[in-house]
Amino acid sequence: SQQGEEDPQALSIQEGENATMNCSYKTSINNLQWYRQNSGRGLVHLILIRSNEREKHSGRLRVTLDTSKKSSSLLITASRAADTASYFCATAGNYQLIWGAGTKLIIKP
Amino acid sequence: DARVTQTPRHKVTEMGQEVTMRCQPILGHNTVFWYRQTMMQGLELLAYFRNRAPLDDSGMPKDRFSAEMPDATLATLKIQPSEPRDSAVYFCASNAGQYNEQFFGPGTRLTVL
Repeated sequence: SQQGEEDPQALSIQEGENATMNCSYKTSINNLQWYRQNSGRGLVHLILIRSNEREKHSGRLRVTLDTSKKSSSLLITASRAADTASYFCATAGNYQLIWGAGTKLIIKP
Repeated sequence: DARVTQTPRHKVTEMGQEVTMRCQPILGHNTVFWYRQTMMQGLELLAYFRNRAPLDDSGMPKDRFSAEMPDATLATLKIQPSEPRDSAVYFCASNAGQYNEQFFGPGTRLTVL
């Protein structure tokens, strides 16, 4: 089942611009994770933010979590062509992850 | 460089045939997941195992799908008989804890004609 909803479904920006994707979920969580999927490949874990954290950084990635609004955002700064991929949020439940539908990000050169 | 491996990477078969997909989780990971991904349905969890025991296979059509872990280094997903609607990419993933990140294999792209 899919708990998360990602917004927007698709995003096209110029190289160098920042990209922001949002994720909403429905139930309480232990943590929320973001993954990237390049076309034809498996998903790759990007970052995990715990329910008691509000913000986390990893390189050009910044993730925020608002548990009161049950939402998270992923910001990619100074985008590059290699960032073109689909991005998924997933909330950690009882052993399994509940996945969103993903945001397709296209970086135009 | 530990990674999840899956075989075969691609499979084309005819309706009614049996399909077996294999996965080798990362050594030391005790939870294994099977997912199916299609354009229409997105990423769906089919089944998962912890310490080789099935925890949940409610996402799997029971009449034709079966998943097993014969040992800690091998997980299998079988479809018998296969149908065109089973065409999808099947991913295996593993992790080492209840809330930890999952490591995905490269997937098996299945086409049923």
